[in-house]
Amino acid sequence: DVKVTQSSRYLVKRTGEKVFLECVQDMDHENMFWYRQDPGLGLRLIYFSYDVKMKEKGDIPEGYSVSREKKERFSLILESASTNQTSMYLCASSFWVNNSPLHFGNGTRLTVT
Amino acid sequence: DQQVKQNSPSLSVQEGRISILNCDYTNSMFDYFLWYKKYPAEGPTFLISISSIKDKNEDGRFTVFLNKSAKHLSLHIVPSQPGDSAVYFCAASARRNNDMRFGAGTRLTVKP
Repeated sequence: DVKVTQSSRYLVKRTGEKVFLECVQDMDHENMFWYRQDPGLGLRLIYFSYDVKMKEKGDIPEGYSVSREKKERFSLILESASTNQTSMYLCASSFWVNNSPLHFGNGTRLTVT
Repeated sequence: DQQVKQNSPSLSVQEGRISILNCDYTNSMFDYFLWYKKYPAEGPTFLISISSIKDKNEDGRFTVFLNKSAKHLSLHIVPSQPGDSAVYFCAASARRNNDMRFGAGTRLTVKP
């Protein structure tokens, strides 16, 4: 069974702090993704990566960066957290083949005060 | 601009009846479509998918229909069960799965 593990279930940070969200997958997936989920907006793609050290912007990359130094780990970084980044963050992974579904972690609920 | 749209934020049906969830998309490059189910405090889990070469895919109580000309897909659940109560997300991607886009979700409530 695929396991995607997000390091924190809940985080509370202050405005201006640098925040790291970590994600690890154990299925040797090439692709990894970060989404945020907000009411009425569904899941919006922030960044994705199809290989180590490779990254591509999604629909809402502003205010975020990512790091993929190892195949199994994909980190989302908020350089200077702001209140509008309060959200549920979901990490996902998949194989690099056509028609491969995404497997999601359980999410990190981030609150920025 | 949302490329995948679920216009019904919620749906309530009686146990044993059919649930029909709808989804529209705008990007004609999408060729792979999926439905995910999400319970509170959990990540979305994959439910069923369909590729653009088909117009129907069935898996037990779940059937997905694709109408490419209308850029519309739907998920049918028959019969609906209380355990099906969850938020359902429609998703779509083009080749290589690198740009999967999701709708806003529909909250399904199945009443006993």
